[in-house]
Amino acid sequence: GQQLNQSPQSMFIQEGEDVSMNCTSSSIFNTWLWYKQDPGEGPVLLIALYKAGELTSNGRLTAQFGITRKDSFLNISASIPSDVGIYFCAGPSNTDKLIFGTGTRLQVFP
Amino acid sequence: ETGVTQSPTHLIKTRGQQVTLRCSSQSGHNTVSWYQQALGQGPQFIFQYYREEENGRGNFPPRFSGLQFPNYSSELNVNALELDDSALYLCASRWQGKDTEAFFGQGTRLTVV
Repeated sequence: GQQLNQSPQSMFIQEGEDVSMNCTSSSIFNTWLWYKQDPGEGPVLLIALYKAGELTSNGRLTAQFGITRKDSFLNISASIPSDVGIYFCAGPSNTDKLIFGTGTRLQVFP
Repeated sequence: ETGVTQSPTHLIKTRGQQVTLRCSSQSGHNTVSWYQQALGQGPQFIFQYYREEENGRGNFPPRFSGLQFPNYSSELNVNALELDDSALYLCASRWQGKDTEAFFGQGTRLTVV
């Protein structure tokens, strides 16, 4: 079945540093979504991407839809403590269900 | 604030019991999906309802069932609870025509003992 793999699995960075994470799939996706989940909460949508090559920003967050449509990237600039959480990529399967990646856990130290 | 609310927030049940979890979707969203998220994992798709009918199901047994109502609320029912059913259960709502910008509730933490 369709799967989304995220890397790195976890990151430990210092406040102010930039962060990059990515999501890859063995099959093509027509939409890429990036979510952030805080402990004990539901995922919150950060950015939605709909076209191959698209680059979209939301404040300090920038995400790109890979040209091959098999990957996507999320960058966070000048990280702050509230960026801590788990970041998930997600995309609709060929049966229209939303598939989630394995997640990247981000820890930011002051 | 996603406009999607779930109840209860926490629940403890005994193995073999039945449970009903509830979700109130964003007004106007005609599609609701339910997910199970085990600790340290990504959400796993259980099923999806569109206009009150199930139109997609993940790899979950029939003892997981659901309902969607005209007032944008929905339910997830689980019968014969097993210890492995302990997880965070999430519902997400969206407008079918707008592809997949799904908005999640805060989840219900179910513990089966």
